[in-house]
Amino acid sequence: KQEVTQIPAALSVPEGENLVLNCSFTDSAIYNLQWFRQDPGKGLTSLLLIQSSQREQTSGRLNASLDKSSGRSTLYIAASQPGDSATYLCAVPNNAGNMLTFGGGTRLMVKP
Amino acid sequence: NAGVTQTPKFQVLKTGQSMTLQCAQDMNHNSMYWYRQDPGMGLRLIYYSASEGTTDKGEVPNGYNVSRLNKREFSLRLESAAPSQTSVYFCASRTKHRTESSYEQYFGPGTRLTVT
Repeated sequence: KQEVTQIPAALSVPEGENLVLNCSFTDSAIYNLQWFRQDPGKGLTSLLLIQSSQREQTSGRLNASLDKSSGRSTLYIAASQPGDSATYLCAVPNNAGNMLTFGGGTRLMVKP
Repeated sequence: NAGVTQTPKFQVLKTGQSMTLQCAQDMNHNSMYWYRQDPGMGLRLIYYSASEGTTDKGEVPNGYNVSRLNKREFSLRLESAAPSQTSVYFCASRTKHRTESSYEQYFGPGTRLTVT
C-alpha cells in the first residue's frame, strides 16, 4: 500500500527566505505527483503536477522536483512571502489513476 | 467556469440524522471523488465515480452512500450520522492533464460537518 510522508509537519520562516518542502512515497511506480496548497478553512488548489517522466516542473516562484528511484519529491519556494503561508500537500495516484494518496501536509508560516 | 461546487458549506447534525452533501462540476470531467479530511489522518478517499453510472468504494466507505446523478453531479449521503463522521468533506473531479499523458484532480471548497 502506498504511503506518503511529508517532512517537516510545520515550518516557520522569515519573509524572503528560499525554502524546501519534502515529500516521500514508498511505491516508486507512480504516474505523477501533484502538489496542492490549502489555505485555512478552504479547499485544495493544484499548484504543480510533475509527470513520472519529468525531473522537475516550474511555476513562477515554485519548482517541484521528482526522483522516482529514491521515492522523493521536493517543492522549492523562492523568495517566500507572507502570502505563501498555507498548508502544502503532495499526493500520488494509484496504478489505475483513480485514487490519490495524500501526505499529511506541511504547514508553512512566512513571517513579515 | 465555477469549477467544483459543494453545498452546504457548513452543517451540524445530531447523531442518527441523515443528510446529503451535494457536489457539481461544470468542466465536463468524467471522474468524480469524495474525500474526508481529519486532523492527523490527512485526506482519505470515501467513494469515487470513474464515469456516469458507476461508483466504487475508496479507503473509508463505511457509513456512506453515493449517487452519480449525471455527469455533472455526485452526491454523498449519510443515512445515520455518527460523531465519527465529523469531518471536512471534499469533492473533486479529474481531467486529463494538459500534456494528455496523465490525470489531474480539482477540488471543491469543502463542507464542514459536525455531528453531535
